[in-house]
Amino acid sequence: AQSVTQLDSQVPVFEEAPVELRCNYSSSVSVYLFWYVQYPNQGLQLLLKYLSGSTLVKGINGFEAEFNKSQTSFHLRKPSVHISDTAEYFCAVNTNFGNEKLTFGTGTRLTIIP
Amino acid sequence: KAGVTQTPRYLIKTRGQQVTLSCSPISGHRSVSWYQQTPGQGLQFLFEYFSETQRNKGNFPGRFSGRQFSNSRSEMNVSTLELGDSALYLCASSLAGIGTDTQYFGPGTRLTVL
Repeated sequence: AQSVTQLDSQVPVFEEAPVELRCNYSSSVSVYLFWYVQYPNQGLQLLLKYLSGSTLVKGINGFEAEFNKSQTSFHLRKPSVHISDTAEYFCAVNTNFGNEKLTFGTGTRLTIIP
Repeated sequence: KAGVTQTPRYLIKTRGQQVTLSCSPISGHRSVSWYQQTPGQGLQFLFEYFSETQRNKGNFPGRFSGRQFSNSRSEMNVSTLELGDSALYLCASSLAGIGTDTQYFGPGTRLTVL
C-alpha cells in the first residue's frame, strides 16, 4: 500500500526567505509524485510532478522539487517566497499500475510573514 | 477554456437523508475523479470514472456511489447521510486519467450534515 507523510503541518516563513516543504512516501513499486497547492476557498492546482527522468523537477510560480529514491522523498523548495504563496500544499503519490489512485499527504500550511 | 464546475457549492442536510453532487469537467476531459476532504482525514480518493465506467475506487462504504454521463459530467450520491460525511467534496477532471495526467480540480461542494 502506498502512503505519503508530510512531516510539517504548518510552516511560517518570512517574505523573501527560502522554504522547503517535506514529503516522504512509502511504496513497494515505482511511483509518480505530485505537489498540489490549495489557495483559500479554492480547489487544488498542480505545482509540479515527477514521472521519470531528471530527479529535479521545476514547476510553476518558481517552485521545484527533487525526487530522492533512496530516501523516498520528494521535498518542495522555493528560493524566495512571496505573500501570494500563502496556501496549503499537498504532496501526492500514485502507483503506475494496479488500482490507481492519488494518495495525498495531510498537507502543509505555508504562512508568509511580511 | 472553462474550468471544472461543481454544483451546488454548499449543501446542508440532516442525518439519514441522501444527497447528489454534480461535477462538470473541462471540455474534452473524459476522466472525472472524486475526493473527500476533511480536517481529520485530509484528502481521500473516492472513485474515478472514465468514459462512463468506474475505473478505480477508494476505500469508502457502498453508501458512496457515482456515475458518469456520455457528456462526461459526473454525479456523486451519498445515501443515508451520517454526521461524519460532513466534508468538502472535490472533483477533478483530466484527459486520460489519474495515472500521470494533471488533475484539474473544481472549487468543491461543502456538505454539512446536521
